[in-house]
Amino acid sequence: GAVVSQHPSRVICKSGTSVKIECRSLDFQATTMFWYRQFPKKSLMLMATSNEGSKATYEQGVEKDKFLINHASLTLSTLTVTSAHPEDSSFYICSARDRPASSYNEQFFGPGTRLTVL
Amino acid sequence: RKEVEQDPGPFNVPEGATVAFNCTYSNSASQSFFWYRQDCRKEPKLLMSVYSSGNEDGRFTAQLNRASQYISLLIRDSKLSDSATYLCVVKDLGGYQKVTFGIGTKLQVIP
Repeated sequence: GAVVSQHPSRVICKSGTSVKIECRSLDFQATTMFWYRQFPKKSLMLMATSNEGSKATYEQGVEKDKFLINHASLTLSTLTVTSAHPEDSSFYICSARDRPASSYNEQFFGPGTRLTVL
Repeated sequence: RKEVEQDPGPFNVPEGATVAFNCTYSNSASQSFFWYRQDCRKEPKLLMSVYSSGNEDGRFTAQLNRASQYISLLIRDSKLSDSATYLCVVKDLGGYQKVTFGIGTKLQVIP
C-alpha cells in the first residue's frame, strides 16, 4: 500500500521558534496533500490543502502567515509553524492522495508529528 | 450545527457483542463517505468506504442513508482488537474534494 512519512515524529521547541514538518509520499506521486491538526479528544481539523506547484488553500481561521506550506514536488510538502506558541502544541498529520483524484480515492495519512511548544 | 456529528462515546461493550455507530452530516451535497479507525496517538487508517447500496467487509457493515443524511457502522462479534476510535469522514464535491472528519466514537471492547 501507499506510504506517507512525516518528519520529525516529535518535536519540542521554545516559544518563538519556528518548526518545519516534512510530509513525503514514498511510493506514489501526490498532486494533493492535506495538513490536519488534532487537539486531544478533538477531531482532525483540516488546516490547508496543498497542491504541487501552487499556493496552498487555507481553511477559514487558519493563518497562512503563521502556517507556511510549501509543496515543492510531487512527493514532498512542508509545513512550517512560525513563531510557535504553546497554543500551537498539537498533533499535526499530513495526508496525500494519489492521482487521478476520484470520489473514493483513499487518502493516505502520515504517522503524525507531535509538537510541544514550551 | 457541526458539519459531521458523532457521539464521542465511549462505548464499552463485552467481547462478542454487536455495536453500531451513527454519524450525521449537514451538507446534502456531500459525495463520498468513509469510516476510519484511529488508535491512540496514531494516524487514522481507512476502515471502509460507504457505498449507497451499503457494504460489508467481514464483521463490519456500513450503511448510507442520503435522505436522512447519516451513515452507520455495525461491528459484529466484537474483538478486543476492535478497541479504537472510529472516525466518520465525509468528502464533498469540488476541485479539492474537501474532507471533513467527525470527532470520532471511542469503542472499548471489554474481556
